[in-house]
Amino acid sequence: DGGITQSPKYLFRKEGQNVTLSCEQNLNHDAMYWYRQDPGQGLRLIYYSQIVNDFQKGDIAEGYSVSREKKESFPLTVTSAQKNPTAFYLCASSIVVAVTYEQYFGPGTRLTVT
Amino acid sequence: QKEVEQNSGPLSVPEGAIASLNCTYSDRGSQSFFWYRQYSGKSPELIMSIYSNGDKEDGRFTAQLNKASQYVSLLIRDSQPSDSATYLCAVGPSGNTPLVFGKGTRLSVIA
Repeated sequence: DGGITQSPKYLFRKEGQNVTLSCEQNLNHDAMYWYRQDPGQGLRLIYYSQIVNDFQKGDIAEGYSVSREKKESFPLTVTSAQKNPTAFYLCASSIVVAVTYEQYFGPGTRLTVT
Repeated sequence: QKEVEQNSGPLSVPEGAIASLNCTYSDRGSQSFFWYRQYSGKSPELIMSIYSNGDKEDGRFTAQLNKASQYVSLLIRDSQPSDSATYLCAVGPSGNTPLVFGKGTRLSVIA
């Protein structure tokens, strides 16, 4: 089955610990994205990557880091510098259709930091 | 700052009625427009895309685009309780940049 996988579904960490969220896709999509969603809030872009070994900061990159060593993988590290890390984290990837990008989401990882 | 605006709702409609969801955007150069459905606790699911002015129909869903008015809408005919969800409008800006999402409209279909 083609798709986007995120693991784990739920993640619990103590404050002060770094944590890495996994995102893998087998859709052969070039671009990948990380969003954060807080209760009752919209999606906020953390980082995105349009090609291997390159990525750009989104609107709320502080306290996060990413890597894109393979086309299929775009892991997100939530560092201890992130002030309010508890949130629903969504990974997405996109394919170019004509002049635009149809973007698809993974199932998400719900991170709780106490 | 490129913006996408949606009424947060909740929008309540009776079962079988037409639900109308609206979205406005600020970037006049935008080229692509999408509607996502997000059930509570789940990730967004792409349900409609539209790229040119006019209507695009897919089953019970119709997307409408008016670039002159910078306005996108989603109509859901014969609304069902299973349509109850938050609907996110997303706009593809000009150039090779990520989609801009609205905050979503919560739809409640009452049986």
